[in-house]
Amino acid sequence: DAGITQSPRHKVTETGTPVTLRCHQTENHRYMYWYRQDPGHGLRLIHYSYGVKDTDKGEVSDGYSVSRSKTEDFLLTLESATSSQTSVYFCAISEIQGDDEQYFGPGTRLTVT
Amino acid sequence: GENVEQHPSTLSVQEGDSAVIKCTYSDSASNYFPWYKQELGKRPQLIIDIRSNVGEKKDQRIAVTLNKTAKHFSLHITETQPEDSAVYFCASDGGFKTIFGAGTRLFVKA
Repeated sequence: DAGITQSPRHKVTETGTPVTLRCHQTENHRYMYWYRQDPGHGLRLIHYSYGVKDTDKGEVSDGYSVSRSKTEDFLLTLESATSSQTSVYFCAISEIQGDDEQYFGPGTRLTVT
Repeated sequence: GENVEQHPSTLSVQEGDSAVIKCTYSDSASNYFPWYKQELGKRPQLIIDIRSNVGEKKDQRIAVTLNKTAKHFSLHITETQPEDSAVYFCASDGGFKTIFGAGTRLFVKA
């Protein structure tokens, strides 16, 4: 597995609380992505980053924000968690955008009660 | 928006039989088509990919075909084995964002 980790791996939180998920890579890849995985929907892109401090929205970005202050770290924040954000979140990295394999982290299972 | 449709959602085959999963994409600019395998509780991992300048690619028991005119691509697994049981995702990438299909759960019965 590529050097990519996520923390925490599991989290249970209450509706309305803020939550931050962390993705850390040791591969020095430029591109980083956050996806959520839900049954029947596959993997849907939330936000992605194409460099330090450079981020853009994906197809399901509402209710999420991201930050990337260092090449190796990409943070996903749920400002006020809702039950619809219960999901498995995967971080991924790639050397180039498009035409390139994405390496996925182990995932974070988030439950919002 | 751009999308990728994947069929079937569930596929059950007998060990040794072949399995075929089909995808259709909408973005004409797509030129990279990866396939990922996700075992239960694990992360997705690339098993094969194809680029738009190629019509077919094979790697041992796995092959992928691409028809750019029809915007179709397919995954073929021959001589299936129990360890092929997993969820398979197709994806299309036009250089900006990767769009994934909803996944196919493959069961290989011993």
